[in-house]
Amino acid sequence: SQQGEEDPQALSIQEGENATMNCSYKTSINNLQWYRQNSGRGLVHLILIRSNEREKHSGRLRVTLDTSKKSSSLLITASRAADTASYFCAPLNSGNTPLVFGKGTRLSVIA
Amino acid sequence: EPEVTQTPSHQVTQMGQEVILRCVPISNHLYFYWYRQILGQKVEFLVSFYNNEISEKSEIFDDQFSVERPDGSNFTLKIRSTKLEDSAMYFCASSAGQLNTEAFFGQGTRLTVV
Repeated sequence: SQQGEEDPQALSIQEGENATMNCSYKTSINNLQWYRQNSGRGLVHLILIRSNEREKHSGRLRVTLDTSKKSSSLLITASRAADTASYFCAPLNSGNTPLVFGKGTRLSVIA
Repeated sequence: EPEVTQTPSHQVTQMGQEVILRCVPISNHLYFYWYRQILGQKVEFLVSFYNNEISEKSEIFDDQFSVERPDGSNFTLKIRSTKLEDSAMYFCASSAGQLNTEAFFGQGTRLTVV
């Protein structure tokens, strides 16, 4: 298993602004997933991007993947106070390895 | 929408006691996981379970821990003799497949060892 490293560790923005979080990883992957965790709650899957995909959209979320740089980014557009949470990336090498999480990015959206 | 359910939501136990944390994964899922999160720290992988056996476990998952799927629907985590440092949120998760599938997490059990 490998864990991603999210950057920045913390991000504070005004409601309506866009939030961008980055993820770097070390070895080649099959796919990369992004999860959200509201304080004290379980993780919620947001989006999965496969290694042969470069960009994916889901509602206000846009994920990019650059396998040559071993990095991914998560963009949340038109942020809302309800987007306040920690965000984690989880790179997955193969089917036999579980998801492993790093420290995440703590996003605060101020109304 | 199907969900992973965990019980109890909060458990307080005396040091040295055994605890069993319970999870009901999504019914057609085949892969099951336990994670823990000590307050203020990251979510740590404990163990994965497939085809009625452990498929991978972390260094945290020592002899004090065990998992079981006793009846085809429940998935349990047992801590044999709890220590103060076992206090954490414990999350159960399940997924339908291995690759290219999302994991669904329960809301967690907060374990407090006193």
